[in-house]
Amino acid sequence: GENVEQHPSTLSVQEGDSAVIKCTYSDSASNYFPWYKQELGKGPQLIIDIRSNVGEKKDQRIAVTLNKTAKHFSLHITETQPEDSAVYFCAAKSQGGKLIFGQGTELSVKP
Amino acid sequence: GAVVSQHPSRVICKSGTSVKIECRSLDFQATTMFWYRQFPKQSLMLMATSNEGSKATYEQGVEKDKFLINHASLTLSTLTVTSAHPEDSSFYICSAREGARGTEAFFGQGTRLTVV
Repeated sequence: GENVEQHPSTLSVQEGDSAVIKCTYSDSASNYFPWYKQELGKGPQLIIDIRSNVGEKKDQRIAVTLNKTAKHFSLHITETQPEDSAVYFCAAKSQGGKLIFGQGTELSVKP
Repeated sequence: GAVVSQHPSRVICKSGTSVKIECRSLDFQATTMFWYRQFPKQSLMLMATSNEGSKATYEQGVEKDKFLINHASLTLSTLTVTSAHPEDSSFYICSAREGARGTEAFFGQGTRLTVV
């Protein structure tokens, strides 16, 4: 069935360093890939997304890259700050219109 | 981005009672709404998809008679957990998508349900 694998499950970085989270998806028909940030006790918040006709998208310190051939997409956060600490989820939109989520990455940014 | 409001944020109920959770799209019309369940330190598990004016489509293994979903208007969907039991305790989250061709899904704040 449709599947999204996300790595790593936990990531600890020093403030100012970069963080990279990677996802792979199984459904080659997927055409939309959002990333969500979830803080404790809250719902996921959309932080950036990319569509299959684009290879890279950037929004200030956050960027997402997509390799359709390899079915990989990645989230890059530069100049990390303590407030970036949260759980991040990648997702891929399936042919049926549902979002298939990765397992999540707990990012910890140490001051 | 668009705003989705979910209410209540926390609820504690006694075993055997029913609980209703509301999900509203505040500044757009949500043709499709999704309901998820999330256990601690786990990912979101899709429970059902609801389209305005039609019956919800439930994912495999989700009891439709236990988790009643109503999407009567373009801005409101409700999830009712009937005859709740302690194992139903979880974090429930809704999301909404705008229009028939909408892509982005915006999430509510989530509801922490505790059944005692």
